[in-house]
Amino acid sequence: SQLAEENSWALSVHEGESVTVNCSYKTSITALQWYRQKSGKGPAQLILIRSNEREKRNGRLRATLDTSSQSSSLSITATRCEDTAVYFCAASSGSWQLIFGSGTQLTVMP
Amino acid sequence: EAAVTQSPRNKVAVTGGKVTLSCNQTNNHNNMYWYRQDTGHGLRLIHYSYGAGSTEKGDIPDGYKASRPSQENFSLILELATPSQTSVYFCASGDWGDTQYFGPGTRLLVL
Repeated sequence: SQLAEENSWALSVHEGESVTVNCSYKTSITALQWYRQKSGKGPAQLILIRSNEREKRNGRLRATLDTSSQSSSLSITATRCEDTAVYFCAASSGSWQLIFGSGTQLTVMP
Repeated sequence: EAAVTQSPRNKVAVTGGKVTLSCNQTNNHNNMYWYRQDTGHGLRLIHYSYGAGSTEKGDIPDGYKASRPSQENFSLILELATPSQTSVYFCASGDWGDTQYFGPGTRLLVL
């Protein structure tokens, strides 16, 4: 089973609405990262939140981290069509690798 | 701006043939990674490197070799390609537990 996993395969919203993608992980982590992958492109990091942080913001994006429940969320406000992408969480435990979840496909409709 | 480039972007190979995927980074990162991405599996780590001359096995190394001749270049080699290796391959560079910067990917089809 996955060490990190998003809780939804797919989400769809209308432009302007808010949406939240959730992630759970199964190990002690040093940081949790959120990546976005648009069609035909490589993943790009959105937010990195360290284990001693509870919340991180980047423009319309807000990530939270709850180490007690081993979960994280990424919220996007005022969604735009260009937010349509696959969103991944990735957990790092201080070692050499990131463990990626399978991703959540977010579709923002006009 | 951080940059990771990959070549070729698309490749068709025959079963049993040798395939080399190349990656170049201008980030001056010590660590480089090769992943494959298949529907339903997300990104899976094949090989990684700590620096020039080093290669390490990731989670799914069978059937793949890697080469890191310099800080900037990291290659993935399929000595005997099989149809099960049809996938999209991504190279990335980054520091320990920190942001990874990904290339645009190589789409490989093994017939």
